[in-house]
Amino acid sequence: DQQVKQNSPSLSVQEGRISILNCDYTNSMFDYFLWYKKYPAEGPTFLISISSIKDKNEDGRFTVFLNKSAKHLSLHIVPSQPGDSAVYFCAASDSGGGADGLTFGKGTHLIIQP
Amino acid sequence: DADVTQTPRNRITKTGKRIMLECSQTKGHDRMYWYRQDPGLGLRLIYYSFDVKDINKGEISDGYSVSRQAQAKFSLSLESAIPNQTALYFCATSGLDREEAFFGQGTRLTVV
Repeated sequence: DQQVKQNSPSLSVQEGRISILNCDYTNSMFDYFLWYKKYPAEGPTFLISISSIKDKNEDGRFTVFLNKSAKHLSLHIVPSQPGDSAVYFCAASDSGGGADGLTFGKGTHLIIQP
Repeated sequence: DADVTQTPRNRITKTGKRIMLECSQTKGHDRMYWYRQDPGLGLRLIYYSFDVKDINKGEISDGYSVSRQAQAKFSLSLESAIPNQTALYFCATSGLDREEAFFGQGTRLTVV
């Protein structure tokens, strides 16, 4: 039973355009959501997060949107750059603190085309 | 230097052998974790530790054990490795009451 779902295994976007990565969750107890980025042969790195009390969080080119009623969040990258090519993991937490409560999606491989 | 260091980075071992993966961190965090990643799957939690005296099982702890030797060191052992433990293993740390985890570069383990 997958509680965090990333239904697109891969996504190809042209450089300079917007990349939209989607994530759905089923556990209504999740109250904190994170996106991680992973390059080959490296560990995941934290990208951006959002608390359930917000519906948007922005950090430079990265914006995360949360729709609690739909149990859906999305990561927008504008404009997309070649260095954004990586696997992106969505994660959710219900523990109120600490990564023991993190549940990860399977990841979406984003490919930025020149 | 990396904040979270894993050794070895790659390892091939035979079925039935005991193997230890080591992790050390310089972030000063109390919380440490071991995750496993399989192709096409997300990261799954094996064990986590909130301090030296606190060890907890994660989602997939069977076949694994851990040791928290110090605040900065957390090792993962496979007592008798089996082929379906072939995977990418990640160590991570986090601060108190913070969900953001900092990951090591991973250990690619192959059991033949």
